[in-house]
Amino acid sequence: DTGVSQDPRHKITKRGQNVTFRCDPISEHNRLYWYRQTLGQGPEFLTYFQNEAQLEKSRLLSDRFSAERPKGSFSTLEIQRTEQGDSAMYLCASSYSRGIEETQYFGPGTRLLVL
Amino acid sequence: AQKITQTQPGMFVQEKEAVTLDCTYDTSDPSYGLFWYKQPSSGEMIFLIYQGSYDQQNATEGRYSLNFQKARKSANLVISASQLGDSAMYFCAMRDTQGGSEKLVFGKGTKLTVNP
Repeated sequence: DTGVSQDPRHKITKRGQNVTFRCDPISEHNRLYWYRQTLGQGPEFLTYFQNEAQLEKSRLLSDRFSAERPKGSFSTLEIQRTEQGDSAMYLCASSYSRGIEETQYFGPGTRLLVL
Repeated sequence: AQKITQTQPGMFVQEKEAVTLDCTYDTSDPSYGLFWYKQPSSGEMIFLIYQGSYDQQNATEGRYSLNFQKARKSANLVISASQLGDSAMYFCAMRDTQGGSEKLVFGKGTKLTVNP
């Protein structure tokens, strides 16, 4: 059973550059979530998709961030004009919608460092 | 507003002993779910155990059990017979349906160190 995968695992970029991360969910899962985790904190919700529809976005998701999930399969998270404050771990999770007990399964994350 | 509080930044336990990691939560929604995740230094969040607000019994999964005290709004994780591989960050999280949100809200975590 293949879990959630993310690519790349690590990314170093210079301030002002654009970066894109990919997430491949567990195949039968219809929901996909993005979270951001900074040092010493728990993950914070960014956005989620049900199938291909983006249903919820956090206020943390500035205009420089965009996420897509074409065809309801993999998802990409793009950050434009990166800033040093974007340095964090970006976590993807997937789940199958089943009410309050729905469990989100996480990928290994992408560590971003903006120099 | 949803909130998760983990008051123990770090905990130490001897191998083979039991340890309790504290978690309190705040929500006005009568229907909610509580989750615990383990995060080793590699970074992946590993699901451990789930407790629903309407569940009558405390959840158990192998060496993990959840001490759920609804009136006190606490959901403490108990790890029995600690192993060296249990050393990691542990996060408590909650999901309710307020405002139609599906997100998990996490606490700041507790770093558990298991000593040989």
